[in-house]
Amino acid sequence: DTAVSQTPKYLVTQMGNDKSIKCEQNLGHDTMYWYKQDSKKFLKIMFSYNNKELIINETVPNRFSPKSPDKAHLNLHINSLELGDSAVYFCASSREAQAFFGQGTRLTVV
Amino acid sequence: AQKITQTQPGMFVQEKEAVTLDCTYDTSDPSYGLFWYKQPSSGEMIFLIYQGSYDQQNATEGRYSLNFQKARKSANLVISASQLGDSAMYFCAMREGRAGSARQLTFGSGTQLTVLP
Repeated sequence: DTAVSQTPKYLVTQMGNDKSIKCEQNLGHDTMYWYKQDSKKFLKIMFSYNNKELIINETVPNRFSPKSPDKAHLNLHINSLELGDSAVYFCASSREAQAFFGQGTRLTVV
Repeated sequence: AQKITQTQPGMFVQEKEAVTLDCTYDTSDPSYGLFWYKQPSSGEMIFLIYQGSYDQQNATEGRYSLNFQKARKSANLVISASQLGDSAMYFCAMREGRAGSARQLTFGSGTQLTVLP
C-alpha cells in the first residue's frame, strides 16, 4: 500500500525530448511537491501545490510544468530535455506533521 | 544564509553504539517543524521523525529520538543501538509556518552514516 507513488523509477532519454513523471498519493494530503536532488545529493524545492493550486514555483526553467488534475495527483512534464536536467526527481505530499516522499525518478538525459 | 546546517558530511559508528547526527537551523518564524529523513543507497527518502516548534517534549520513534534545543536552534537526531541497516544518508529539514501550511521543506546537505560491524 504505497502512500506516495511516482512513475517511472528510471527514465533515460535523449536531449530535446519531452517526458512526464507521474505522482499519486493516497494519504488524503492537501499539499504536494516536486523536489530535485542533484548529483551532490542536495534537495531543492521546485514546485508546491495546495488543493490543486500552485503555491510555490521556485526558479525553475519554464520547460518544467507541473499539472495537478486533482488533489491526489501532481505530474511533472519536462519539455526539450537538456543534459543538465539529469537528476533524481522526488514527489512528496504533506499535512500537519507528516511529509512523505515517493521513491524518486532517476532521469538521465543522453 | 543557510536555513539548515548539517556540519558532519560523514560519520562512523560501531554497531550497537548510539550516534548523534547534528542539525542546526535558522528561522525567525515562531512556528516551524523539523523533520529527519533517511536515504539508503537504494535512493528512497524515508521519514523518520518530526518535532514541532511548540512541542514540549522531544520526539521519539523507536530507536530514533530528536534532541530539540530551541534556544540553541538545534535538532540533533540520536540513533540508539546502531544496526548495519542504519548505514545511509540522513537529512534534516525544516518547514516554516504552522503545521498544515503549504510551505516547503528546506533541507540540509546531509550526513552519510556508516555503521561498522
